[in-house]
Amino acid sequence: DTGVSQNPRHKITKRGQNVTFRCDPISEHNRLYWYRQTLGQGPEFLTYFQNEAQLEKSRLLSDRFSAERPKGSFSTLEIQRTEQGDSAMYLCASSLLSVEAKNIQYFGAGTRLSVL
Amino acid sequence: AQSVTQPDIHITVSEGASLELRCNYSYGATPYLFWYVQSPGQGLQLLLKYFSGDTLVQGIKGFEAEFKRSQSSFNLRKPSVHWSDAAEYFCAVVYTSGTYKYIFGTGTRLKVLA
Repeated sequence: DTGVSQNPRHKITKRGQNVTFRCDPISEHNRLYWYRQTLGQGPEFLTYFQNEAQLEKSRLLSDRFSAERPKGSFSTLEIQRTEQGDSAMYLCASSLLSVEAKNIQYFGAGTRLSVL
Repeated sequence: AQSVTQPDIHITVSEGASLELRCNYSYGATPYLFWYVQSPGQGLQLLLKYFSGDTLVQGIKGFEAEFKRSQSSFNLRKPSVHWSDAAEYFCAVVYTSGTYKYIFGTGTRLKVLA
C-alpha cells in the first residue's frame, strides 16, 4: 500500500493554457474524490467517482473542468483555458465504501497549481 | 445548510502547554466526524475519527477528541504540545448518505513557541 499518489506536485502555467492532473488511488479503493483548497480555506468538494462512474459534481466545477476515471483505477482532472482564479491546491482522496471501512478518505499530497 | 465552523483561525501555545481546538457542525443527525492535520505543502493526515459509541476518541500523536451531541461539537485536545505539532488542523464531517463527501472547516493554524 503506497497511499494516494498525485502528479505533478506543482504546476505553473499561463492563463489560457490547459492543464491535467493525475491521481492514483489506493489500489483496492472503489471511491475517488477531488477537492480544491485555496489559501486560508479548507478543502472543498469538487467531484467523486465510484469505480468508473462519476456520480456527483459540485457547482464549483465549471464546464472548463473535466474529470475521468477510466477503468475505475487512476483519475485525471483537466482544466481548460485556465484562469488566475483556478490557482489552488487540488487534492485527491480515495476510500473504500463498505460497512467496515466506513468510507474513510485517504488524501494524496496534492497538486499545487499556479496560473500566471 | 451543512457546515463546519472552526472559530479559531490562529492559535499560539507554548511547547508543553495543553491545547484545545474547537469544531462545531450543523446537521440534523449525527455525522461521521474527523480531524485532519496538514503540514505546509502537504496533504491531509488523519488524526482521529468518530462514528458512534464512546464519545471520547483517541488518535495518533497523543491527540484526543470529544463528541458532544448537545453542543454539536467535536473539539480536539492534546495535554502537552510538542514543537512538531505546529501545522494546520481541519475538522471535517461526513454526511452518511449519498456521496459521503467531506465538509471541512476553514482550519486552525497552530503555532508552537519554544
